[in-house]
Amino acid sequence: GAGVSQSPRYKVAKRGQDVALRCDPISGHVSLFWYQQALGQGPEFLTYFQNEAQLDKSGLPSDRFFAERPEGSVSTLKIQRTQQEDSAVYLCASSLGRGNTEAFFGQGTRLTVV
Amino acid sequence: EDQVTQSPEALRLQEGESSSLNCSYTVSGLRGLFWYRQDPGKGPEFLFTLYSAGEEKEKERLKATLTKKESFLHITAPKPEDSATYLCAVPMYSGGGADGLTFGKGTHLIIQP
Repeated sequence: GAGVSQSPRYKVAKRGQDVALRCDPISGHVSLFWYQQALGQGPEFLTYFQNEAQLDKSGLPSDRFFAERPEGSVSTLKIQRTQQEDSAVYLCASSLGRGNTEAFFGQGTRLTVV
Repeated sequence: EDQVTQSPEALRLQEGESSSLNCSYTVSGLRGLFWYRQDPGKGPEFLFTLYSAGEEKEKERLKATLTKKESFLHITAPKPEDSATYLCAVPMYSGGGADGLTFGKGTHLIIQP
């Protein structure tokens, strides 16, 4: 498809387990963003990549959160030692240009930590 | 710190009943005001970007306007398929330029047939 693809769509993790969430952006898009969305809230910024460079990771809530985009296309958000407060929808977005041009979002991965 | 506040939190309208959603913002320097639509279980869908006070943009039954302190999303003669959560957002400032977006909590709009 032509849109942003995220996998898995749903993930249930036991507390303390590590998880990896994948994002396939639109081909050729330079910018890639990760957001966290709690129920009933707007998305909250986690981190930003321009090609393979992670230019902003100020929104990552702790050092248990790690993101990478090694070849400037697919990105992975990893959460180590998951905790209940990590339960949320994790959204990935990409845009053709640098920064805040029109961004296209994926459907998200709903993470539930039990 | 940049802030975005949306009101009302929820709005229920009859089909055909026009109304407006509000987004007020506090930023150090506006570099755009974004509107998104989000359906349940889906990611936000881009609607508009406004860059300067007085600017207006339209798409079907939606019109977005911008002043120096707030933006309005006007919905004219809405249909049930316009039911969604509408989010507004402003670019964050960082040393690398405008990167992520700061979102409001959204307005949950329900259009009843």
